[in-house]
Amino acid sequence: TQLLEQSPQFLSIQEGENLTVYCNSSSVFSSLQWYRQEPGEGPVLLVTVVTGGEVKKLKRLTFQFGDARKDSSLHITAAQPGDTGLYLCAGAGETSGSRLTFGEGTQLTVNP
Amino acid sequence: DAGVIQSPRHEVTEMGQEVTLRCKPISGHDYLFWYRQTMMRGLELLIYFNNNVPIDDSGMPEDRFSAKMPNASFSTLKIQPSEPRDSAVYFCASSPHSGGVREQYFGPGTRLTVT
Repeated sequence: TQLLEQSPQFLSIQEGENLTVYCNSSSVFSSLQWYRQEPGEGPVLLVTVVTGGEVKKLKRLTFQFGDARKDSSLHITAAQPGDTGLYLCAGAGETSGSRLTFGEGTQLTVNP
Repeated sequence: DAGVIQSPRHEVTEMGQEVTLRCKPISGHDYLFWYRQTMMRGLELLIYFNNNVPIDDSGMPEDRFSAKMPNASFSTLKIQPSEPRDSAVYFCASSPHSGGVREQYFGPGTRLTVT
């Protein structure tokens, strides 16, 4: 069974601060995705990374896939209240077909 | 473009009653997934379909749960009989066939409360 562990589980910061969320596993993934979920809504895909060492930027968000494709990080620069939400990482295993393994999520709160 | 559509958005029912959740995937997507989300267990995959055929139902909790996909534009998840421990948010997601990358698009969810 492939597991994805996210840390921290909860994060409360002030507007303007930087933060990093981690997603770790002992398994290799063929690709990894990050989603953000707001209250009362479904998760929304932010980015997909597929190559070991890959770095993708989405405005103030920077996503990195580990060289060994076992871990990933999400860094937010100058966080804003609109960044508040549940951040989920999800990995596609090399032998798991079309199913994704989701982490438990990091609940981020950015206070004005 | 319309996203994944789920109905109802909220369902409150009494223990023992039958519950049917509905999903319309994004047109052209080959894969459909049903998930359950709770505070305790996070997001759990229940079952997924490819081209209307169930591929993996290992996440379905027990025989009280069943899912069907009679055509490419409609799927149902049925719980009969329902129990209080089934209370959760149920999500449907669809995914296009695009090589090895399985990007999923989620619906807004159905919040189920069983009393």
